[in-house]
Amino acid sequence: GNSVTQMEGPVTLSEEAFLTINCTYTATGYPSLFWYVQYPGEGLQLLLKATKADDKGSNKGFEATYRKETTSFHLEKGSVQVSDSAVYFCALPTPGGGADGLTFGKGTHLIIQP
Amino acid sequence: DGGITQSPKYLFRKEGQNVTLSCEQNLNHDAMYWYRQDPGQGLRLIYYSQIVNDFQKGDIAEGYSVSREKKESFPLTVTSAQKNPTAFYLCASSLTTGSAYNSPLHFGNGTRLTVT
Repeated sequence: GNSVTQMEGPVTLSEEAFLTINCTYTATGYPSLFWYVQYPGEGLQLLLKATKADDKGSNKGFEATYRKETTSFHLEKGSVQVSDSAVYFCALPTPGGGADGLTFGKGTHLIIQP
Repeated sequence: DGGITQSPKYLFRKEGQNVTLSCEQNLNHDAMYWYRQDPGQGLRLIYYSQIVNDFQKGDIAEGYSVSREKKESFPLTVTSAQKNPTAFYLCASSLTTGSAYNSPLHFGNGTRLTVT
């Protein structure tokens, strides 16, 4: 089945630092890929998505590029802020299509210090 | 504004009692889902429903039950058979377009259940 591997956290950075959170996947075919973000005490929100090789998803200064050759979808941001502190999840569809939900990585806790 | 409402935010129960978590959506979405979140384990799918009066087991359905009598509502019952019920429970919904890219999940703010 489909699976996602994310880098372990917590990741602690200073404000304005460059961020990379690694995500690699195992899947049949070329599924859509997603990054979700969870702020403290809340549910998950869709951050960005990509549907095919070399697509770049972007939102709120975050970017991720769908790399077929390395089966990766790493999340990046050029200058992080304290408000970016959250848990970030990489995800892809479970086999069967959109109505069957998503398979999530274990999440990476990001802590930004002022 | 459209969204998903989960209630209550915090729930406490004694061991051996069944408890029902509420999930309501006004997004007119066809599909609804229940996930369980534990520290360091990410999200795991409990049950999902694509249409009214139909639902399917996810990866960890044992000890849980659901119903889908209305499109807007998908309550989850945590039964006394669930061995480790203390967790954060998230409800989600999506359109069923056949493409996850075009119908990503929308989540509620979760219910934290503590069983002692």
